[in-house]
Amino acid sequence: DVKVTQSSRYLVKRTGEKVFLECVQDMDHENMFWYRQDPGLGLRLIYFSYDVKMKEKGDIPEGYSVSREKKERFSLILESASTNQTSMYLCASSFVGVANTGELFFGEGSRLTVL
Amino acid sequence: AQSVTQLDSQVPVFEEAPVELRCNYSSSVSVYLFWYVQYPNQGLQLLLKYLSGSTLVKGINGFEAEFNKSQTSFHLRKPSVHISDTAEYFCAVTGNTGFQKLVFGTGTRLLVSP
Repeated sequence: DVKVTQSSRYLVKRTGEKVFLECVQDMDHENMFWYRQDPGLGLRLIYFSYDVKMKEKGDIPEGYSVSREKKERFSLILESASTNQTSMYLCASSFVGVANTGELFFGEGSRLTVL
Repeated sequence: AQSVTQLDSQVPVFEEAPVELRCNYSSSVSVYLFWYVQYPNQGLQLLLKYLSGSTLVKGINGFEAEFNKSQTSFHLRKPSVHISDTAEYFCAVTGNTGFQKLVFGTGTRLLVSP
């Protein structure tokens, strides 16, 4: 089974702090994604990466950055956390190839509260 | 670009009753369609997917969905729900060529009561 592991299930941070959310997948997937989930808004794509050291902005990249130094790891960085970044963050991965359908495999999520 | 509309934010239903969760999509190209389920405090897991072929797709836990190209819909159904089906359900779409990037609907919360 594909396993996508997010390092922290719950975090509480203060406004202005730098926050790192880590995600690791064990299936050698090329693509990795960070989504933000808010009630009534569904899942919104923050950033994605289709290869090591490659990244692309999603729909709501402002206030976030990402890092992908190794294929299995994709980090989301909040340079200076703000209260409007309080949310559930979901990491996902997918593979590339003939059978690629866009199906995503998700981690369990990281619930971030910024005070 | 693709978009997804889930018209119902919440659907209350009694146990053992049938349920339908609605999903409509928009796309200028052919699509792949997905339903994901999210149980409380968990990530999303795949319920079922439509890639091609038969328009009636069966998934896990007794759910099924029907792809209707003319109505651009992909409604999810279950003939008899259980308490354990209480969860949030997300419809998602992607174009079937190029880099596939899923676009999600806003979700429908299914509330099953005894």
